[in-house]
Amino acid sequence: NAGVTQTPKFQVLKTGQSMTLQCAQDMNHEYMSWYRQDPGMGLRLIHYSVGAGITDQGEVPNGYNVSRSTTEDFPLRLLSAAPSQTSVYFCASSYSAGAGNTIYFGEGSWLTVV
Amino acid sequence: AQSVAQPEDQVNVAEGNPLTVKCTYSVSGNPYLFWYVQYPNRGLQFLLKYITGDNLVKGSYGFEAEFNKSQTSFHLKKPSALVSDSALYFCAVRPLNYGGATNKLIFGTGTLLAVQP
Repeated sequence: NAGVTQTPKFQVLKTGQSMTLQCAQDMNHEYMSWYRQDPGMGLRLIHYSVGAGITDQGEVPNGYNVSRSTTEDFPLRLLSAAPSQTSVYFCASSYSAGAGNTIYFGEGSWLTVV
Repeated sequence: AQSVAQPEDQVNVAEGNPLTVKCTYSVSGNPYLFWYVQYPNRGLQFLLKYITGDNLVKGSYGFEAEFNKSQTSFHLKKPSALVSDSALYFCAVRPLNYGGATNKLIFGTGTLLAVQP
């Protein structure tokens, strides 16, 4: 049971480059989300999706795009990377958006923008 | 504003001693509360959650947490610490907005637990 799988695990980008962080889950979860983790700030929600074809912004969406064409996949796109986007990114999923559902996290993607 | 506070950046405890990692929250309405653990260079692993019912919740790896509504706290505890428990611990709340659930977790800033042999 793979759970939530993220790729790549490590990436170095130059300012202005674009890239996509991939996320896939094999648990048939409706709800998926992206968080970023920065020192001393905990995790902050970037974007989330409550089902295929439906996405919405979290608290720090600027500079990121998402799409949800299938239940399994929820990629995060950085269109023009900036040093402020250096962070650890976590994809997460849960069975549904209901508040009592446990959210499961991937292993993380460490991104450095130089 | 809705928030979660973990007042201690680091907790040091000797192996075999009881441990407590503190968490307090400030949300409107009834919260759903979670604890996660993060080992170095790894993702967050779910430990336990409080939804309703018994205020003492038991979770993975021998951890438990006590929900205290009057003190708005959800402290994580373990009777006997292990060196392998050393990790970063996050408290999180998923508040219930009026009319239904919300779709995000609000995280604390994390507490580093260091267990000395």
